[in-house]
Amino acid sequence: AQRVTQPEKLLSVFKGAPVELKCNYSYSGSPELFWYVQYSRQRLQLLLRHISRESIKGFTADLNKGETSFHLKKPFAQEEDSAMYYCALSPISGGYNKLIFGAGTRLAVHP
Amino acid sequence: DTAVSQTPKYLVTQMGNDKSIKCEQNLGHDTMYWYKQDSKKFLKIMFSYNNKELIINETVPNRFSPKSPDKAHLNLHINSLELGDSAVYFCASSQQQDALQETQYFGPGTRLLVL
Repeated sequence: AQRVTQPEKLLSVFKGAPVELKCNYSYSGSPELFWYVQYSRQRLQLLLRHISRESIKGFTADLNKGETSFHLKKPFAQEEDSAMYYCALSPISGGYNKLIFGAGTRLAVHP
Repeated sequence: DTAVSQTPKYLVTQMGNDKSIKCEQNLGHDTMYWYKQDSKKFLKIMFSYNNKELIINETVPNRFSPKSPDKAHLNLHINSLELGDSAVYFCASSQQQDALQETQYFGPGTRLLVL
């Protein structure tokens, strides 16, 4: 079964602290993985995807196929990082993509 | 302003009514989607259309009928609304390019409340 698990509903940290939002997936093939973010009163938008291997707004995520994980990390959290973060998997099949989302983790960064 | 737009933003209605939500994208994308976000913020795909053709239908009740008059529009019609249909519905679009999983761009969402 194709599934994305984000075990934490809420992650609360202080400004300047390191952040790690956990994501584990279940998929028999080689999926494409994404992190989407939804800031307050804004639409859902792409933060990063594993195929790009980029660092966006200081966030990075490494695909670990052995542990089937795609955790999102940032060394020093900022207040403006407070948002809802969704890990998503796109199964590679038939050439058409759909996103399978995790339940989301709310990140709250306190001053 | 290039984006994915949805109307209405809020929709409050009685059980049993029929309602529609409209979605338009001016990004020139080939593929459009509808997602449902429930009260626990869980997002799940409902439908996907590519060039006006249905390509994904995720076991959604027949009361939900998507319609794509052209590739820039994907509307969602819901018949006989039920309490459980209350949710936020998100439209999204992406450019289809071979087998590459393209980034999806989301609309602002339509908050539906069924009383």
